Amino acid sequence: DTAVSQTPKYLVTQMGNDKSIKCEQNLGHDTMYWYKQDSKKFLKIMFSYNNKELIINETVPNRFSPKSPDKAHLNLHINSLELGDSAVYFCASSLPGLQETQYFGPGTRLLVL
Amino acid sequence: GDSVTQMEGPVTLSEEAFLTINCTYTATGYPSLFWYVQYPGEGLQLLLKATKADDKGSNKGFEATYRKETTSFHLEKGSVQVSDSAVYFCALSESTGGFKTIFGAGTRLFVKA
Repeated sequence: DTAVSQTPKYLVTQMGNDKSIKCEQNLGHDTMYWYKQDSKKFLKIMFSYNNKELIINETVPNRFSPKSPDKAHLNLHINSLELGDSAVYFCASSLPGLQETQYFGPGTRLLVL
Repeated sequence: GDSVTQMEGPVTLSEEAFLTINCTYTATGYPSLFWYVQYPGEGLQLLLKATKADDKGSNKGFEATYRKETTSFHLEKGSVQVSDSAVYFCALSESTGGFKTIFGAGTRLFVKA
């Protein structure tokens, strides 16, 4: 009964490679997010989609490209991986609105060597 | 822009001690305020929230009051347990440029038996 799931849980790869992280939610939410958490636990929003439409795109390098094939899925593709991309990436979802709780996935731990 | 400042950790307490984690915010509008908790190796989950001034959010013995006059949302618990050891994030939700949640830097709590 996982509400927000991400795959893979761990990702170890070489610099320069391209990788994707998948996210799925079964909560019926319209809004989905990608966050990056660095080694000091600082959490920063990267993207937000509402009903498959991009609504927030923070200052993230063009190498990061989100794709939302439907309301329940938001995938993150990263081209030409760099050492600084090593982090934990969290997907989240919510209903739209200021008061709404975000539900987070378990995270994908990316290590770029 | 809007921001959240919370006390730096780590905070180390003995079981049954009183906990306060300070959180202050800067916002131009009327944000909703949240506390999320992250247990080791997991994603964030909502602990409590308050959506307007003077509201008190509470859950699992934790509580926080939305104070507009001091722009604060301090987290308190009267008697902590070892199982409360986690990272706590204060956050606000604002509506400029789409609904966006801004997280504080997180405060790590260690509770000793």
